[in-house]
Amino acid sequence: EEQLVESGGGLVQPGGSLRLACAASGFSFSGDEMNWVRQAPGKGLEWIAYISGDGSTRDYGDSVKGRFSISRDDAKNSLSLEMNSLRVEDTAVYYCVREGDFGDHDAFDIWGQGTKVTVSS
Amino acid sequence: SNELTQPPSVSVSPGQTATVACSGEKVGSKYVCWYQQKAGQSPTLVIYQDFKRPSGIPERFSGSNSGSSATLTIRETHIMDEADYYCQIYDSGKWVFGGGTKLTVL
Repeated sequence: EEQLVESGGGLVQPGGSLRLACAASGFSFSGDEMNWVRQAPGKGLEWIAYISGDGSTRDYGDSVKGRFSISRDDAKNSLSLEMNSLRVEDTAVYYCVREGDFGDHDAFDIWGQGTKVTVSS
Repeated sequence: SNELTQPPSVSVSPGQTATVACSGEKVGSKYVCWYQQKAGQSPTLVIYQDFKRPSGIPERFSGSNSGSSATLTIRETHIMDEADYYCQIYDSGKWVFGGGTKLTVL
């Protein structure tokens, strides 16, 4: 079964840091494009970070650029999100997501169960 | 602007057809995906490339895209289809989601 399992969420104070991890299983992972998407309480989905299959290209949403960093370790089938200078508005459930290649177009075809991050004093 | 606009809510009776719209300046020129998110669950891809269904998604789900609006259509709506639905495009190196539509089946 293709699966993504996030971990590392928790309570952190404003200005603090947190590192999220995502373990992939049931599919190749190496060479797969990956993303992080978050969802604030009662709100919609927000894409925040992308990493290419070989790790050479990374993109970020404007709200996290310069504070968050996405990385991958293909040997461990894992994806990470380093979050620094956290703000109250970063409070959300964070999803690890595979970007599947459907030929002419990609789509987010595998989602993890999410890990909750709360930024509060 | 690459913003996507969806109605906050749509209601439909069981067995009827539900339509969820997604509008935006870039919609007509980009492929649109749709995701279903049931209460307390992670999102699931239901439509990609405007109208294609991943394996396992019922034929009742269909999509279209023209002009500046894309539409998700659910025929013969079931109680189990009650969920939030999000449209999505890829534009200028960024993935963009619509604000989401809560589909109520009653």
